[in-house]
Amino acid sequence: GAGVSQSPSNKVTEKGKDVELRCDPISGHTALYWYRQRLGQGLEFLIYFQGNSAPDKSGLPSDRFSAERTGESVSTLTIQRTQQEDSAVYLCASSPIRDRGHVAEQYFGPGTRLTVT
Amino acid sequence: KNQVEQSPQSLIILEGKNCTLQCNYTVSPFSNLRWYKQDTGRGPVSLTIMTFSENTKSNGRYTATLDADTKQSSLHITASQLSDSASYICVVSGQVGGGGNKLTFGTGTQLKVEL
Repeated sequence: GAGVSQSPSNKVTEKGKDVELRCDPISGHTALYWYRQRLGQGLEFLIYFQGNSAPDKSGLPSDRFSAERTGESVSTLTIQRTQQEDSAVYLCASSPIRDRGHVAEQYFGPGTRLTVT
Repeated sequence: KNQVEQSPQSLIILEGKNCTLQCNYTVSPFSNLRWYKQDTGRGPVSLTIMTFSENTKSNGRYTATLDADTKQSSLHITASQLSDSASYICVVSGQVGGGGNKLTFGTGTQLKVEL
């Protein structure tokens, strides 16, 4: 079946430009996560969406970062006025509803490699 | 501060040999511990998930252990294959509102299997 997809797969942008990254989660998954992975480092949690609840934005590194999700479908991560430090792979993951006593697995997309020049 | 530390940072082994990767964590509250395999240029793929009450779980040639008292986990790979070459990431989950999981990722162990 279809997994999590992300687009574009690669994005090169000039410093100061805005970029928008897209994530299509697995159909029926209510939870969606965005992570950032810098070269040689572990993944950093950015933001979490769960159904109609208010998103957990505690991982967003600055107000230049924002994300939206329409219902339980597509999500977009927007980075405004990009900086070279924003260069990283941005990974999206989706997860089904967490049943009582069951640990919900997160399924990752292939990521978007962002390079800010 | 929640942290996950992995060792070794990198490892090279010969095909057919076994290896063990280590993970120490300080995440609290603890929900579960996961091991992921991440091939170059791809997203992580789950190998095992263990909750507090589980101390071992296997997935084919991969066996993970968990000691929740000492906050340590290991991933043992048996009879390694060239396709095992990848980054192995230990991930510890705390809980966020709504039943979701906020994951703290280790930086991974880069494994290379050679002929």
